[in-house]
Amino acid sequence: ETGVTQSPTHLIKTRGQQVTLRCSSQSGHNTVSWYQQALGQGPQFIFQYYREEENGRGNFPPRFSGLQFPNYSSELNVNALELDDSALYLCASSLDRGNNQPQHFGDGTRLSIL
Amino acid sequence: GQNIDQPTEMTATEGAIVQINCTYQTSGFNGLFWYQQHAGEAPTFLSYNVLDGLEEKGRFSSFLSRSKGYSYLLLKELQMKDSASYLCAAAYGGATNKLIFGTGTLLAVQP
Repeated sequence: ETGVTQSPTHLIKTRGQQVTLRCSSQSGHNTVSWYQQALGQGPQFIFQYYREEENGRGNFPPRFSGLQFPNYSSELNVNALELDDSALYLCASSLDRGNNQPQHFGDGTRLSIL
Repeated sequence: GQNIDQPTEMTATEGAIVQINCTYQTSGFNGLFWYQQHAGEAPTFLSYNVLDGLEEKGRFSSFLSRSKGYSYLLLKELQMKDSASYLCAAAYGGATNKLIFGTGTLLAVQP
């Protein structure tokens, strides 16, 4: 069984640029959540996708957007990058959207903004 | 708010027992997860509590008191490889499996 995979592993961008991060969910999982983890902090919820629809959003501006595809893989897009966007971006998939379903994390994409 | 509070750092000795506490806001609460995160790696799922009481999984146990908004993770027979950050995460919000994480407790296991 393949776990959650994310690409790329590392990325360097400059302020004002746009970035797309990708995530393949674990086999059989239809729900994908995205988190931002700053150094020394816990992950912060960005949004969740369930069966290709956004199913909840955290306190992030609209320049953070996402997609989920029919195979349940997902993308996170960030426009107009700011220095504070430098962080580890984690994707997590779960069997379903219910609250009793553990979320399984990928290794993350480390994004650095110069 | 939905603040999750846990200690920033703890130190323990190999072979000992350590308890990591976590408090959370009870309004809208659905369940409590614990994750382990080694430096530079992804968080890995350890345990889930939805009912009051103790859940045991080998050397790791987790406890929940819903009325008190309190949980703890108990690690027994500590090993050096247990040195990691332990993240407490509370689930809120019905159909959205939204996790609110604490900042994590960095556990250092010493020989």
